[in-house]
Amino acid sequence: GAVVSQHPSWVICKSGTSVKIECRSLDFQATTMFWYRQFPKQSLMLMATSNEGSKATYEQGVEKDKFLINHASLTLSTLTVTSAHPEDSSFYICSARDTGTGKHFLYEQYFGPGTRLTVT
Amino acid sequence: KNEVEQSPQNLTAQEGEFITINCSYSVGISALHWLQQHPGGGIVSLFMLSSGKKKHGRLIATINIQEKHSSLHITASHPRDSAVYICAVPDGSSGDKLTFGTGTRLAVRP
Repeated sequence: GAVVSQHPSWVICKSGTSVKIECRSLDFQATTMFWYRQFPKQSLMLMATSNEGSKATYEQGVEKDKFLINHASLTLSTLTVTSAHPEDSSFYICSARDTGTGKHFLYEQYFGPGTRLTVT
Repeated sequence: KNEVEQSPQNLTAQEGEFITINCSYSVGISALHWLQQHPGGGIVSLFMLSSGKKKHGRLIATINIQEKHSSLHITASHPRDSAVYICAVPDGSSGDKLTFGTGTRLAVRP
């Protein structure tokens, strides 16, 4: 099956600093990747859709200047949390959709293992 | 926007029991996802199905498109099956975005 990795798996940072999270598709190309956030005991919430070579599409209520997304290649998307605050502490998960080579079903998304961010 | 309901929210079972988790949605879809989230948080995609039934090991997923309902079954449950099981469907506005259920927290006791 398709594999998606995230790095780091967990990170602790001080308030006011920036943190970058990477999402990589290891054995397939992904023109589209998705970034989700999950608070404790809650469901995943889509933050933004990352498209290779173009600007990300952010969901309502998500600050694009705070959560910077870069999808510079077909296998890598990055999420940078700028000027992090304790309320940004959460579990961040990415998923990736195959470019549609025919190997995978349309709309099938492959999820990364997640990154736990703690802002102190 | 697609509304997703899962039941039950919490489920405790004895090892070996047959388990069923249900998912209903409001808008017709092309495919439905079942995901497993372990206590550490990592998510594993179990199934994506558009019709009928799929089986993988002790896991079986069924879907009835007409009734907008899917079930996930676990046969001969084991403590390592303890996790949160989440169903997800396209949100109705585009094929890419998913709407997630709130999850079913399963605990299997030895």
